[in-house]
Amino acid sequence: IVVTQSPGTVSVSPGERATLSCRASQSVGSNLAWYQQKPGQAPRLLIYDASTRATGIPARFSGSGSGTDFTLTISSLQSEDFAVYYCHHSKSWPPITFGQGTRLEIK
Amino acid sequence: EVQLVQSGAELKKPGESLRISCQASGYTFTSQWIAWVRQMPGKGLEWMGIFYPDDSDTRYSPSFLGQVTISADKSIKTAYLHWSSLKASDTAIYFCARFTGKTFDFWGQGTLVTVSS
Repeated sequence: IVVTQSPGTVSVSPGERATLSCRASQSVGSNLAWYQQKPGQAPRLLIYDASTRATGIPARFSGSGSGTDFTLTISSLQSEDFAVYYCHHSKSWPPITFGQGTRLEIK
Repeated sequence: EVQLVQSGAELKKPGESLRISCQASGYTFTSQWIAWVRQMPGKGLEWMGIFYPDDSDTRYSPSFLGQVTISADKSIKTAYLHWSSLKASDTAIYFCARFTGKTFDFWGQGTLVTVSS
C-alpha cells in the first residue's frame, strides 16, 4: 500500500488554516498517522488512528478521513507550525512506508 | 518518561564498518518494536526495518535487506544498526523510534552518519 501526500509544498499565512492531504493506494481503514518534523529535529507524532491527537498535541491540529483519503488540518497557524508533515499507514506491515512529505511554509 | 538516546555522529570512510546505537529507558524494552528510519540530506523518511527485542523478530524493508543488520542487547536496553561495508550513499541521519504497531510514538534524536573518502 502506497501513501501519497499533496501538495508537496503549501504556503499559508500565520493565523490562517492549512489543509494537508494523504491518499492511500487502497483502503487502510482508520490506520493512518501524521507526524511533524522541524529542521534539525526528530519527527513528532501528531495524530493516530486518523483523528486521535497524540499526548500534548494542541487542539488546533485535527485529522479526518478513512479508507483512502485523509486530511490533516491546522487551524489558525502559529509560527511554530511551519514544518514538514508526513503520514504513514499501519493497516498491514511490513513494509511501513511514509508519504513523501508536505512542506508547510510561511506565505 | 520514555526516552531513546542515540549514539553520536560518525565520520567514516567507504568500506568501513559501523554500528550505531539507541538506548531505551522509561518503558519495558522487550515489549515494544524498535524501528530504524533513514533520512538522507534534504529528503523524506524511509523505514529501514524493525526489531522486537523479546524474541529478536526482525523485519527489513526490501530496500535495506542485506545492506544493514538490526539487533539489540536486552540486558542494556539498547538497539543497534550495523553496516559491514559503508558506501557514500549511506550518508544520512538515522533515527530509531519505538513502534507500537500503529505509530512511531517516541523517537531518538538522530545519528548523523557521514561516509566520505
